[in-house]
Amino acid sequence: SQTIHQWPATLVQPVGSPLSLECTVEGTSNPNLYWYRQAAGRGLQLLFYSIGIDQISSEVPQNLSASRPQDRQFILSSKKLLLSDSGFYLCAWNEPTGHGYEQYFGPGTRLTVT
Amino acid sequence: AQRVTQPEKLLSVFKGAPVELKCNYSYSGSPELFWYVQYSRQRLQLLLRHISRESIKGFTADLNKGETSFHLKKPFAQEEDSAMYSCSARQLTFGSGTQLTVLP
Repeated sequence: SQTIHQWPATLVQPVGSPLSLECTVEGTSNPNLYWYRQAAGRGLQLLFYSIGIDQISSEVPQNLSASRPQDRQFILSSKKLLLSDSGFYLCAWNEPTGHGYEQYFGPGTRLTVT
Repeated sequence: AQRVTQPEKLLSVFKGAPVELKCNYSYSGSPELFWYVQYSRQRLQLLLRHISRESIKGFTADLNKGETSFHLKKPFAQEEDSAMYSCSARQLTFGSGTQLTVLP
């Protein structure tokens, strides 16, 4: 069966520090991978999506970046965090079904920038 | 601008009462629409999508292109339906969510 892992679960980082959040998927190959962020009181916002290794599309300009060094690994990074980067970060992947796409979410990472 | 709007942040109903969670979208073309649910201490999960016209856990959602709405409905709410519900267009744009509480 397919599973998706994210770590860490929670993270507290000072402003200006670097960030690296990791997401890995098991039980599938060549998945479409997504990074979302949910700020307090707001809906999910798509940050990046990837259709393959080293193929990253950015939906929102910001100081975050994403990389996909392996088929089932998706990394969200920042060189210098801002206070506004605080939020709940979710990784997800899609697979096609007869009715479109099924989507699976990871457990999320709660990031607090202080 | 592409947008999904859920006007109610909080919604409370009594067990056995009908429930309707509102979702309106502003999107170019004909987007595929989805409802997601997150129960307490569980991961976000897909509940249903308009293209499959399915009923999941007693919930249905009808796409109204004229009103650009995709409201989620259930005729008789249960306490286990209490959760955060989010509407999405194309799995890319999400509403801010509605926290449903079903009271005993």
